[in-house]
Amino acid sequence: GAVVSQHPSRVICKSGTSVKIECRSLDFQATTMFWYRQFPKQSLMLMATSNEGSKATYEQGVEKDKFLINHASLTLSTLTVTSAHPEDSSFYICSAAGTSGRQETQYFGPGTRLLVL
Amino acid sequence: EDQVTQSPEALRLQEGESSSLNCSYTVSGLRGLFWYRQDPGKGPEFLFTLYSAGEEKEKERLKATLTKKESFLHITAPKPEDSATYLCAGTQGGSEKLVFGKGTKLTVNP
Repeated sequence: GAVVSQHPSRVICKSGTSVKIECRSLDFQATTMFWYRQFPKQSLMLMATSNEGSKATYEQGVEKDKFLINHASLTLSTLTVTSAHPEDSSFYICSAAGTSGRQETQYFGPGTRLLVL
Repeated sequence: EDQVTQSPEALRLQEGESSSLNCSYTVSGLRGLFWYRQDPGKGPEFLFTLYSAGEEKEKERLKATLTKKESFLHITAPKPEDSATYLCAGTQGGSEKLVFGKGTKLTVNP
């Protein structure tokens, strides 16, 4: 299947700092990428849909100014958590829409564990 | 409201003991039904996409089926390495957004 990478895999930061997470589709072009967050023992919650060359679409309740998304190319989307606070600590996962054989799906990255102290 | 409900929440099997996981959905205009496997601390791994009632897909010990109201993930003669959380998700026609269920945590004991 297709490969999606995320960097960093784990980050620890102080409260008030900003953190950037990169999501790359390594072997296919992704016009659409998605950002999710996942709390312990819970399922994935969609935060926003990122479209190449246009503004991201945020889900209800997700602060646009806090979670900045940039999709500058067909293989790269970034999520910046601005002025991070302890409640932003979570597992952030990106995905890219692609096709495996004739199956449409989303391919997920390995996730980024964010801990805000 | 579109919903995807998975059952059971957790399932413990002995190695070789076959079983099924259930995913029921109320996604209007369902376009695709997806199954993923997620290991702790990792992103979901794609397993199957099903598009229409009656469709079946297989991969090793796993077989996914779809009816008009639900999907099943059948696990035949599971091994300990099949232990993971299995996630079901649906998409609506015209949208690529996945609506996820809460998952079934499968534990296979040797």
